[in-house]
Order: sequence, then structure tokens, then C-alpha cells
Amino acid sequence: GAVVSQHPSWVICKSGTSVKIECRSLDFQATTMFWYRQFPKQSLMLMATSNEGSKATYEQGVEKDKFLINHASLTLSTLTVTSAHPEDSSFYICSANLRFTDTQYFGPGTRLTVL
Amino acid sequence: GESVGLHLPTLSVQEGDNSIINCAYSNSASDYFIWYKQESGKGPQFIIDIRSNMDKRQGQRVTVLLNKTVKHLSLQIAATQPGDSAVYFCAETPNTGGFKTIFGAGTRLFVKA
Repeated sequence: GAVVSQHPSWVICKSGTSVKIECRSLDFQATTMFWYRQFPKQSLMLMATSNEGSKATYEQGVEKDKFLINHASLTLSTLTVTSAHPEDSSFYICSANLRFTDTQYFGPGTRLTVL
Repeated sequence: GESVGLHLPTLSVQEGDNSIINCAYSNSASDYFIWYKQESGKGPQFIIDIRSNMDKRQGQRVTVLLNKTVKHLSLQIAATQPGDSAVYFCAETPNTGGFKTIFGAGTRLFVKA
């Protein structure tokens, strides 16, 4: 149990286009989901906290207009990278908390490459 | 800001030996700590956790030690196997609500056969 999926697993896009990444909790409800970015050989950096039915909370230095987060249901959060540029190329990982617990389950990640 | 590692430290051990991976955490208000294993191209995988009211917790082949006085966390892997080769991250959850998790820099473990 407690499986989190991400779609797509990898995506290549042209500079200036927008890309949507989905994060789903498959067998549990998640009131809170988190989005991380990871550059090669670096740690995971928290981008934002996504709460179902409310606006996401962004970490300092993360542009909310560039990284749009929507948490429409207890099992789905989406991250849209708008007007993507090569420096946005990274590994994006989501996680979901079992409802009202601090146990986080991570998705497999999405590799974004912007040409 | 959040912890971000610029260069991953590396630990190389012989198969069958014990491994000890260390981590210094930053927030004295953190009350929940987790070790994750990440293989190349995959998301982090939960290994073991510990709460701040404990100083040691054991799992299968793994032990986590917590020293709150010096804000230090360690992961011990017994009888290290080639399949243990990965990057290991410690993570902390401050007791500020919201279940936010902050990752440490990570350590790459190489297991030599």
C-alpha cells in the first residue's frame, strides 16, 4: 500500500512551452503533497507544499507564477512548469502524506529536459 | 533556506562490512527524523525513522541513532550488500506543523564486492 505515482516519468520539451506533471496517491488519501526539485548530485530541495482545496505554500525563492500547483482532490496534485527554460531541466519529485500523519511516500520522479 | 548539498560525500565499504552514515541536522525544533535511500533515477525510499523522544531505533539490518545534544543522526547498516549501493539522505521534520520535510545533503554509498 501507500503508492505514489507520477506522470510522465520523463518529458522533453522546447524552451518556452509549459509542462504539466501529475502526482497521484493510488491507494490512500493525501491532504498534503509536496513538490521537490533535484539537480544532479544534489539533495532534494522543497519547492512547495500543496494542500487539497487551498493555495500552495511556496518556499523562499520559488516563483509561484512559474511553478503552478493545483491540488484538486485528495489523490491528485499537479505541477505546471510554465514557459520552461533549459535551467528548469531537473528531476521533479512529489510526495504525499498519509492523512493527518507525518509519514511521507515519494513518487518515482519526473525527469524534465528543456531544449 | 533548505539544505541543499553541492557535493555528495562518498563512503566506500567492502561487502559484508558494516556501514555508518552520518548526518548533522540544523533545526533544534525538529522532532521527527527519517533516513531515505535513493537509487539512480528513482524517488527516495523510506528506510527507517526515529522521533525525538528516542535515541536509538532498530530495523532489519539498519539502526538509527539520534544525538539531540549535538544535533547528529547516524544510520548503521549491518553486513552491507551490493544492493545497498545508493545515495542516503537524512531528513528532518520541524514541529512547526504542516509536516514539511527538510533533506540533508546526502551520502553516496559504494559497496565493493
